[in-house]
Amino acid sequence: EQLGQSGAEVKKPGASVRVSCKASGYNFTDFDIHWVRQVPGQGLEWMGWMNPKSGNTAYAQKFRGRVTMTSDTFITTSYLEVSSLRPDDAGVYFCTRGVLTENYEINWFGPWGQGTLVTVSS
Amino acid sequence: QSALTQPASVSGSLGQTITISCTGTSGDVGGYNLVSWYQKFPGKAPRLIIYEVIKRPPSVSDRFSGSRSGNAAFLTVSGLQPEDEADYYCCSYVGRSMEVFGGGTTLTVL
Repeated sequence: EQLGQSGAEVKKPGASVRVSCKASGYNFTDFDIHWVRQVPGQGLEWMGWMNPKSGNTAYAQKFRGRVTMTSDTFITTSYLEVSSLRPDDAGVYFCTRGVLTENYEINWFGPWGQGTLVTVSS
Repeated sequence: QSALTQPASVSGSLGQTITISCTGTSGDVGGYNLVSWYQKFPGKAPRLIIYEVIKRPPSVSDRFSGSRSGNAAFLTVSGLQPEDEADYYCCSYVGRSMEVFGGGTTLTVL
């Protein structure tokens, strides 16, 4: 069971970035994919999730309107797009598989992608 | 949703026991049995070490244990080893399909 992410990106302020996350070794449509970021000098920040089978999503309030999570089940790949990039969006973005309880509550995360460094600079 | 509160740093000597706290509210840590802990080394992805407050994945050393009292969760590391030096993050379900992390704690082994 693995998640492999796309390579580092360098973007200008105001631009958009799309990060991909390819899943392997498990049934892609059985689990949600979550995105977590770490900006320099700060901790982990949960951004949201999407369900590859239904397309349903849920975003942390901070990111609503600026983040879009999608997936392509044919190539078992999830995507995170962040628009209107700001310098404080620079950091490492991780995808991870979410495991739910029998009551469909988020339980724990794993495995994780290796992370994608996003640099925002003019 | 505000981040859960963790001490910025904790330290202990080789072989000692340390505890990291994670303080939330009745709407997250205190309201669900869904607190998890992650170990993270610089430049690496996080690794699950505790889930459902007290459970430990098979691959994780039994020197790591979790507990909770009220709206606070705790990660205890016993018999400190040099390889335990890392950042540790708590995480809690907050309802409505949402999740929140703590600010992270840097563990230093002296």
